[in-house]
Amino acid sequence: DTAVSQTPKYLVTQMGNDKSIKCEQNLGHDTMYWYKQDSKKFLKIMFSYNNKELIINETVPNRFSPKSPDKAHLNLHINSLELGDSAVYFCASSQRGSSTDTQYFGPGTRLTVL
Amino acid sequence: DQQVKQNSPSLSVQEGRISILNCDYTNSMFDYFLWYKKYPAEGPTFLISISSIKDKNEDGRFTVFLNKSAKHLSLHIVPSQPGDSAVYFCAASISGSGTYKYIFGTGTRLKVLA
Repeated sequence: DTAVSQTPKYLVTQMGNDKSIKCEQNLGHDTMYWYKQDSKKFLKIMFSYNNKELIINETVPNRFSPKSPDKAHLNLHINSLELGDSAVYFCASSQRGSSTDTQYFGPGTRLTVL
Repeated sequence: DQQVKQNSPSLSVQEGRISILNCDYTNSMFDYFLWYKKYPAEGPTFLISISSIKDKNEDGRFTVFLNKSAKHLSLHIVPSQPGDSAVYFCAASISGSGTYKYIFGTGTRLKVLA
């Protein structure tokens, strides 16, 4: 019974392509997040949605567009992929979105751009 | 500007001994701190947290100590077990900030030797 799931687990694609990563949580949480873990292992927040509303949008190229069709889903679409987009992307969720709420992470999606 | 730092990328400890993982932060506004554990090919999982109104929090074999004046926290694992071998991330947030986000360190890889 996976709490936070992501698909696909691995994604290999060519530069310039457009790709999407999907995330679903079955915890009934209100808030979902996307994080990027780069080659230096630095885990950095990209976006956060609370009740389908965007509340955090860090300095991320506008080639990245999150979409939240409902509270349980937060997808990440990336246009015109670049080599530097290669990373592991983690989805997470939390109950209310307070900065003291525990965040529950998905298993990650390893994106490789060739 | 990395506001949360884990200066030891790796640590090896004998089974049964104490593991001490360290974390430093620069932003004095941080008042809530967490430790996450990550196994390969999995997402980070929550381990333990501490609010700045405390200087110690304990949960079984895991204890987190906070030294606000030094802007330093540490995670003690006693006794260490081979199953504790993982990457440990510390994270910090500002409660009540409305930003809903954690700032993570780069992690310390702990290896517990049997």
